[in-house]
Amino acid sequence: QKEVEQNSGPLSVPEGAIASLNCTYSDRGSQSFFWYRQYSGKSPELIMSIYSNGDKEDGRFTAQLNKASQYVSLLIRDSQPSDSATYLCAVNTGNQFYFGTGTSLTVIP
Amino acid sequence: NAGVTQTPKFQVLKTGQSMTLQCAQDMNHNSMYWYRQDPGMGLRLIYYSASEGTTDKGEVPNGYNVSRLNKREFSLRLESAAPSQTSVYFCASCRIGLDTDTQYFGPGTRLTVL
Repeated sequence: QKEVEQNSGPLSVPEGAIASLNCTYSDRGSQSFFWYRQYSGKSPELIMSIYSNGDKEDGRFTAQLNKASQYVSLLIRDSQPSDSATYLCAVNTGNQFYFGTGTSLTVIP
Repeated sequence: NAGVTQTPKFQVLKTGQSMTLQCAQDMNHNSMYWYRQDPGMGLRLIYYSASEGTTDKGEVPNGYNVSRLNKREFSLRLESAAPSQTSVYFCASCRIGLDTDTQYFGPGTRLTVL
């Protein structure tokens, strides 16, 4: 069983719609959770970090964490073509970070 | 403030050749990491260094060695390159702490082993 699983996609949404990305993790002792965006040929860049159960909002992005269900999600509101990228979910279980395989998102103008 | 830098950006090796990938950070972070990224596999941890003077194996350490030269620098060495090591290699750093363990990534090294 992989440490971090993501809906593999690809995911396509029309411009202005809400994109929903999901992630589950296996280690109940995980402390911190991250969403990274990666454009083709580039390095990952942080979108959101979340440490406590509930929602965390930053502009058009909302991260949701449910530790009981071992579930993390990312909502992107008012999706823009510039949001087209691969989104990586990451979990810190102590000293090590585990990444999902990523979900490819395409926003259609 | 350059963040995390990596050299080289691209490299082509023949099977059996050796090389060292260099990584440096100027954010005074304690922890540094080496990942490889292959299509469909996500980022996989090769080695990490939680603090200066310590290194530990990650998920895929075979065929690699690392050196934490000082707080700023963390190098990855391939002693005898194999085609299976063709990949994109990312270095990352972070400062582990309460609610402050975000990783910052370098631009990557694209390695091809023929």
